[in-house]
Amino acid sequence: AQKVTQAQTEISVVEKEDVTLDCVYETRDTTYYLFWYKQPPSGELVFLIRRNSFDEQNEISGRYSWNFQKSTSSFNFTITASQVVDSAVYFCALSEQSDSWGKLQFGAGTQVVVTP
Amino acid sequence: SQTIHQWPATLVQPVGSPLSLECTVEGTSNPNLYWYRQAAGRGLQLLFYSVGIGQISSEVPQNLSASRPQDRQFILSSKKLLLSDSGFYLCAWRALSSYNEQFFGPGTRLTVL
Repeated sequence: AQKVTQAQTEISVVEKEDVTLDCVYETRDTTYYLFWYKQPPSGELVFLIRRNSFDEQNEISGRYSWNFQKSTSSFNFTITASQVVDSAVYFCALSEQSDSWGKLQFGAGTQVVVTP
Repeated sequence: SQTIHQWPATLVQPVGSPLSLECTVEGTSNPNLYWYRQAAGRGLQLLFYSVGIGQISSEVPQNLSASRPQDRQFILSSKKLLLSDSGFYLCAWRALSSYNEQFFGPGTRLTVL
């Protein structure tokens, strides 16, 4: 069963618009970790952020912000004032503490297209 | 700092030919290593993972195999490639002391003709 759902296949915005990427996860573990990765056209996956299940503080890093809500099992990602360089596929991922091998379960990804 | 290398960057191979993709990590010891494939579209499929030299676990039975001859070296192989083996292959590593974040290499784009 899919444990990480990214319902948005593609989002297109004009530069300077905000864009929010949704991520819903499913787990029975009480301790788990959530991640966001960016995959630009070059292909390499770039690690953006990790969130631990016991830390529900939201986080902001420059134009990026993340909203973690355990009550709704969501870990959403917002890009403020988008730029063309933000065009990429963004993946949300889950790792459960019960998995001692540290495997990541990825969502299907959301393609973000930012046009000038 | 840690870096991860993959080569070759691109590869075009005929059906039935062998394959060897290499991944090496620098700047860390005893990492967990992973091979992923990204076929047409965007999904990432975990193929193999390794927690130590000679220790390989397979996630999906298929035409590929993996080996870890050295602590920081991970190799993906095939004896005879199929058309369906085409894709983008990514290697990743994780530090044992981490909260499971994985760091990815630049990838190898494989086209089987």
